[in-house]
Amino acid sequence: KQEVTQIPAALSVPEGENLVLNCSFTDSAIYNLQWFRQDPGKGLTSLLLIQSSQREQTSGRLNASLDKSSGRSTLYIAASQPGDSATYLCAVRGGYNFNKFYFGSGTKLNVKP
Amino acid sequence: DAGVIQSPRHEVTEMGQEVTLRCKPISGHNSLFWYRQTMMRGLELLIYFNNNVPIDDSGMPEDRFSAKMPNASFSTLKIQPSEPRDSAVYFCASSLYSLAGPQETQYFGPGTRLLVL
Repeated sequence: KQEVTQIPAALSVPEGENLVLNCSFTDSAIYNLQWFRQDPGKGLTSLLLIQSSQREQTSGRLNASLDKSSGRSTLYIAASQPGDSATYLCAVRGGYNFNKFYFGSGTKLNVKP
Repeated sequence: DAGVIQSPRHEVTEMGQEVTLRCKPISGHNSLFWYRQTMMRGLELLIYFNNNVPIDDSGMPEDRFSAKMPNASFSTLKIQPSEPRDSAVYFCASSLYSLAGPQETQYFGPGTRLLVL
């Protein structure tokens, strides 16, 4: 069974820092990987989606990379801002079993002003 | 577009009562997902519909849970009878899937916070 792990569980940084969030998965046979943001008491907001054939995706200050062979993805946030404070989750869509979606437990990010 | 709409936003009920959660996906989307989120278990996929047909319901915890999608613009998740351990936030999400050019981004609703006493 696919397992998705996010480390660290929580991260606190001063405003302006560049930071990297990590996501690892045990089965490299994936269809795609998606990064989400969740604010307290809210639903998830999709940030970036990387297809299995892609290596990275960029949106504004966010860059997500995917290394299937090593079972890793990173979310890079440049010049962090207090408004980036949220929980960030990664989700993998199964390769062999296309109908399975696996979520990590998230990294709770706090950007201090 | 108003996004994915869920109702009610909050539900408090007593053990044994029937609970019905509702979801309206984004217009034009053909995939719909029901998730449950708890502190202990994180986010779990309960059931997944494609073109109104349930594709995978292996995440539905028990027979007490059932989901329907009578048309492309409406889905329900029903719990009968409800139990305290069903207390969680239930999310509905939708996406557009096409073999020609998949746009798999899932869009989540605001969730329904369910408390079973």
